Amino acid sequence: EAGVAQSPRYKIIEKRQSVAFWCNPISGHATLYWYQQILGQGPKLLIQFQNNGVVDDSQLPKDRFSAERLKGVDSTLKIQPAKLEDSAVYLCASSLSASGSVAYEQYFGPGTRLTVT
Amino acid sequence: DQQVKQNSPSLSVQEGRISILNCDYTNSMFDYFLWYKKYPAEGPTFLISISSIKDKNEDGRFTVFLNKSAKHLSLHIVPSQPGDSAVYFCAASGSGNQFYFGTGTSLTVIP
Repeated sequence: EAGVAQSPRYKIIEKRQSVAFWCNPISGHATLYWYQQILGQGPKLLIQFQNNGVVDDSQLPKDRFSAERLKGVDSTLKIQPAKLEDSAVYLCASSLSASGSVAYEQYFGPGTRLTVT
Repeated sequence: DQQVKQNSPSLSVQEGRISILNCDYTNSMFDYFLWYKKYPAEGPTFLISISSIKDKNEDGRFTVFLNKSAKHLSLHIVPSQPGDSAVYFCAASGSGNQFYFGTGTSLTVIP
């Protein structure tokens, strides 16, 4: 079974530039998550999709971050404009449906390491 | 506010001995807990989980214990192997909602 795919693996940009990350979840996984992991910290949820609808984006800095999951499969996360504090690893994860009271373990991609200079 | 805490940033254990990684949480609504293992330059990999209706779950060399009254869980690895050297994250969720992750514990198993 193929895992969660992410690209690019590494990205270096200057502050105020734009960047986009791509994620392809495991086939059949309805729920997709984007996490930000700053060095020395645990992953922090940015946004959660159920199929192509947003379930939770309460911690997404909406003035500069946006995400979409067209057709309920692939997803892109965009930062525009980037700030120095956005330097982090951006992880995409997917799971079976997280609806109701049942939680399922999430499967993570390798992440994209973003450096903003 | 950190709802899931791993107070030990690092742990070193001799090969063959037991590794015990600890995790504390503050939200009494959490009812599902997971441990993830992460190697450098890779995403976290699911290791083992436990529901709040249990106090122990075992999978091979890995056992997770849950103490709901103390809001504490621990991961035991017996026997520890050099390949277990990685960063371990605990995560917690309530009612199928988002998972909250701890800050991780870096385990080094010394051959």
